[in-house]
Amino acid sequence: GDSVTQMEGPVTLSEEAFLTINCTYTATGYPSLFWYVQYPGEGLQLLLKATKADDKGSNKGFEATYRKETTSFHLEKGSVQVSDSAVYFCALSNFNKFYFGSGTKLNVKP
Amino acid sequence: KAGVTQTPRYLIKTRGQQVTLSCSPISGHRSVSWYQQTPGQGLQFLFEYFSETQRNKGNFPGRFSGRQFSNSRSEMNVSTLELGDSALYLCASSLGLGREANTEAFFGQGTRLTVV
Repeated sequence: GDSVTQMEGPVTLSEEAFLTINCTYTATGYPSLFWYVQYPGEGLQLLLKATKADDKGSNKGFEATYRKETTSFHLEKGSVQVSDSAVYFCALSNFNKFYFGSGTKLNVKP
Repeated sequence: KAGVTQTPRYLIKTRGQQVTLSCSPISGHRSVSWYQQTPGQGLQFLFEYFSETQRNKGNFPGRFSGRQFSNSRSEMNVSTLELGDSALYLCASSLGLGREANTEAFFGQGTRLTVV
């Protein structure tokens, strides 16, 4: 069945460091891919999305490219801030069913 | 437009009781999904409703049930509460249309249920 695998956390970085959170997926057909972010005590917020191969989603300095050949959707940001500290979830939607990764906690130190 | 609204935000119940959580989706969205989030198990899918019908179901016992009304609002019920049911329950809404849509899901802030 469809599934999403993302790197284990926590990831701890210093402010202004480069961020990569790896995400790979297994799916039939043509899923849409998403990154969600969750701040403490809150629900999940959509960070970015890509609906077809080679699409690049971007928002607030975060980027991810839909790579069908490697079945990946890695999240990147060139310079993280303390305010980016949160849990990040990779997800896919296929036939209107959503599948989420286990989440990666990011801690950014000043 | 208004986002997904979940009520109540916090709830404390005793073992053996039952509880009902409510979710109002974004206007025009016909699909509502429910998730349980715990530190140990992560985000687990409970069920999805579309046009008042349960369309998808996760692997939870029958104590967990739900329904959807004609205005797309949804309720989730847990009967005979157990300590392990303590969790953040999240509701998500999406357009839920044909396969080609695969649009994003929008989440509410969740209901924090504590069973004592």
